Amino acid sequence: GAGVSQSPSNKVTEKGKDVELRCDPISGHTALYWYRQSLGQGLEFLIYFQGNSAPDKSGLPSDRFSAERTGGSVSTLTIQRTQQEDSAVYLCASSLSFGSYEQYFGPGTRLTVT
Amino acid sequence: AQSVSQHNHHVILSEAASLELGCNYSYGGTVNLFWYVQYPGQHLQLLLKYFSGDPLVKGIKGFEAEFIKSKFSFNLRKPSVQWSDTAEYFCAVKDNAGNMLTFGGGTRLMVKP
Repeated sequence: GAGVSQSPSNKVTEKGKDVELRCDPISGHTALYWYRQSLGQGLEFLIYFQGNSAPDKSGLPSDRFSAERTGGSVSTLTIQRTQQEDSAVYLCASSLSFGSYEQYFGPGTRLTVT
Repeated sequence: AQSVSQHNHHVILSEAASLELGCNYSYGGTVNLFWYVQYPGQHLQLLLKYFSGDPLVKGIKGFEAEFIKSKFSFNLRKPSVQWSDTAEYFCAVKDNAGNMLTFGGGTRLMVKP
């Protein structure tokens, strides 16, 4: 079956612009996660959704970052007024449900802020 | 806060050599443990996982890991590596209090043919 998909695969944007990153989880997976992979910080958790609800937003690095999920499926991660330190690979993962289930990762979106 | 340490950042081995990558975590309660692998140009894939039961878990491609609770460790092993094992390996931990994975810094493995 189809895995987690993310779009775009690459995004180059100018400092100060807003960007939207999209994640399509595996069909039937109710839990969705966003992570960021960067050279300086390694792999860090950003936010997760159970259904359309995001109970814990403390992992988002600043208030320029926001995420939403609608219909219990697709999620978008929005970064406003991008900065060079936002350059990273943004990874999305999904799991069957909340709790002890393995997470399946998508290919990521490589964001470069110039 | 939870933390995960991978002590080897870069490992270079010849084919057929044995591999052991260290992973230690800080959380003292019940944990779920994972090893993920990222082959060059590919996305993260699950190698193996531990939730409960037998502390020696076997994964894909001949990898195994042993959970030693008293040492807060979950080391990855493979008796004989192949060139195709060249990749970056990440240890990850999830505790029962949260729902996200905390990753170690990763270990880049290069296997020379």
